[in-house]
Amino acid sequence: GAVVSQHPSRVICKSGTSVKIECRSLDFQATTMFWYRQFPKQSLMLMATSNEGSKATYEQGVEKDKFLINHASLTLSTLTVTSAHPEDSSFYICSALTGVSTEAFFGQGTRLTVV
Amino acid sequence: AQTVTQSQPEMSVQEAETVTLSCTYDTSESDYYLFWYKQPPSRQMILVIRQEAYKQQNATENRFSVNFQKAAKSFSLKISDSQLGDAAMYFCAYNYGQNFVFGPGTRLSVLP
Repeated sequence: GAVVSQHPSRVICKSGTSVKIECRSLDFQATTMFWYRQFPKQSLMLMATSNEGSKATYEQGVEKDKFLINHASLTLSTLTVTSAHPEDSSFYICSALTGVSTEAFFGQGTRLTVV
Repeated sequence: AQTVTQSQPEMSVQEAETVTLSCTYDTSESDYYLFWYKQPPSRQMILVIRQEAYKQQNATENRFSVNFQKAAKSFSLKISDSQLGDAAMYFCAYNYGQNFVFGPGTRLSVLP
């Protein structure tokens, strides 16, 4: 199956700094990528949908200026958490669609801890 | 808006026994896709099984099978001969176009 690589798997940053999370499709071109946030023992909460070359579509309640999403190529999307605060600590997961298969392929996830 | 409901927050099954996880959804579309994803403690999401709504035949993947009732908008997952490695969170998901909606999940424990 298609492989999605998400990096880093874990990151600790200081409050007020920014952190970038990368999501790469390794063996296919991802027409669409999704970014989710997952709280402990809860489901995936969709943050935004991004299509290559266009602005991301954010879900209601997600701050666009805080969670910057860039999908500059068909194989890379990035999520930047700007001016991070402890309440941003969470597990972030990306997934990608190939445009051929209807299955969503997931990255390994990133555990962000803001101290 | 489409919604996915999983009414069982937690389930347990004895090893080698069979368990069924429930899922219902709401949509006005007629041609869509349904999935069951597994999230083990590693938190990597793994596709378990997929069902195309236009297919009447229930999907099967080894020990995993679904009971797809389109009119009732029901999509349950049956795990046969449960194994310790089946212990995980299971998410039911609906897909139409770029719209992916996940249910709240069911935590499955497998008892030795």
